[in-house]
Amino acid sequence: SQTIHQWPATLVQPVGSPLSLECTVEGTSNPNLYWYRQAAGRGLQLLFYSVGIGQISSEVPQNLSASRPQDRQFILSSKKLLLSDSGFYLCAWGGGANYGYTFGSGTRLTVV
Amino acid sequence: DQQVKQNSPSLSVQEGRISILNCDYTNSMFDYFLWYKKYPAEGPTFLISISSIKDKNEDGRFTVFLNKSAKHLSLHIVPSQPGDSAVYFCAGGHDQAGTALIFGKGTTLSVSS
Repeated sequence: SQTIHQWPATLVQPVGSPLSLECTVEGTSNPNLYWYRQAAGRGLQLLFYSVGIGQISSEVPQNLSASRPQDRQFILSSKKLLLSDSGFYLCAWGGGANYGYTFGSGTRLTVV
Repeated sequence: DQQVKQNSPSLSVQEGRISILNCDYTNSMFDYFLWYKKYPAEGPTFLISISSIKDKNEDGRFTVFLNKSAKHLSLHIVPSQPGDSAVYFCAGGHDQAGTALIFGKGTTLSVSS
């Protein structure tokens, strides 16, 4: 069966520090992968998605970047965090009308 | 441009009654719509979907209705249970490869016993 792993679960980082969040998927190959952010009053905002290794599409200009170094690995990064980067970050894989996406358990990032 | 809108941030319902969550969209090219349920500090879980060529899909206590002319869909939960208390997200999607779901801002449902 397919599973998605996301870590860490919580993270407190100072302003200006770097960020690396990792997401891996098991039990499937060449998945579509997504990073979303849930911030107060903004719902689930799509940040990046990837349809293959090295292929990244960015939806909004921001202080973040994403990479897909391996087929089932998706990384969200920042060189210098801002206070506005605080939120709940979710990785997801999949797609299609019958089952939609499978989300990871999320990372609560607090920038202080 | 907010393509998927959930205009009610919260809804309170008594146990056993019907919960109706609403969603409006502006993009007439969506091929399907989905509803997700999310508990605090957890990832959303898929609840139910509907193709754009259908007007109703039912799964147990959950029914989704789609009105394409009004660009409106709704999720009905009957009967509502306290365990249904969560944030519900509506999303629109395309069959085209390389596209992503577009989510609304969510509606927080509270079911009291």
